[in-house]
Amino acid sequence: QQQVKQSPQSLIVQKGGISIINCAYENTAFDYFPWYQQFPGKGPALLIAIRPDVSEKKEGRFTISFNKSAKQFSLHIMDSQPGDSATYFCAAERETSGSRLTFGEGTQLTVNP
Amino acid sequence: DAGVIQSPRHEVTEMGQEVTLRCKPISGHNSLFWYRQTMMRGLELLIYFNNNVPIDDSGMPEDRFSAKMPNASFSTLKIQPSEPRDSAVYFCASSWDQGEQYFGPGTRLTVT
Repeated sequence: QQQVKQSPQSLIVQKGGISIINCAYENTAFDYFPWYQQFPGKGPALLIAIRPDVSEKKEGRFTISFNKSAKQFSLHIMDSQPGDSATYFCAAERETSGSRLTFGEGTQLTVNP
Repeated sequence: DAGVIQSPRHEVTEMGQEVTLRCKPISGHNSLFWYRQTMMRGLELLIYFNNNVPIDDSGMPEDRFSAKMPNASFSTLKIQPSEPRDSAVYFCASSWDQGEQYFGPGTRLTVT
C-alpha cells in the first residue's frame, strides 16, 4: 500500500513543448505530494509540492494537477527548455503522522533544442 | 550554508571490505535520512533519524548495514562486509522535522 507508480519511464520533448509526467498512489492516507528534480551527478531537489486540499498548484512553468478521487497526480512543464532535461521523481507521504517519503520510479526527461 | 555534505563522493572497494559513508546535515536540521539509488530499485529510504534517534530502519537491507548518528552534525552508514550488489549511489538528506528534505550530492559506491 506504500507504492507510488510513475510513468513514463522516459520522455523526449521538443523545446517549447509540454512535458507531462504522471503518478498514481494507493494509500489514501498520503497527504503530501512533492516532485523532485535530479540532474546527473547531483542529489534530488524539491521542485514543487501539493497537498490534497487543492486540485492544482502552479509555480512558473511547472504545474501539479491533483485528482484525489482517482488517486493520481501529474507534473506539467510548460514551454519545456533543454535546461529542464533531468530525472523527475514524484513522491508521497503521510506528513501528519511523520511517515517517510515514498518515491516513484523516476522519469528521465530530455528536451531537444 | 554549504548544504548537506557527504564523503567520500566516490568509493571503490573489493567485496568483503568494510565501507563507511559519512554525512554532515544542514546546521539546525533535526531529521536525517539515508537513501540508496539504483537503476533497478530507484530511490529507497534505508533509515531515518529524528533528533539523533533512529525512527525507522525498516529499509535497511540486512544486518550488513548499520547507521549511527552520534550527534546532530554527523552520521555514518556502514556496510560490513560489502558485496557487489551494494553498488549504488547513497544519498543523505536532512530536514527540519517533516519539512523539505535537502539532499546531499551522494556517494557513488562500487564494490568489485
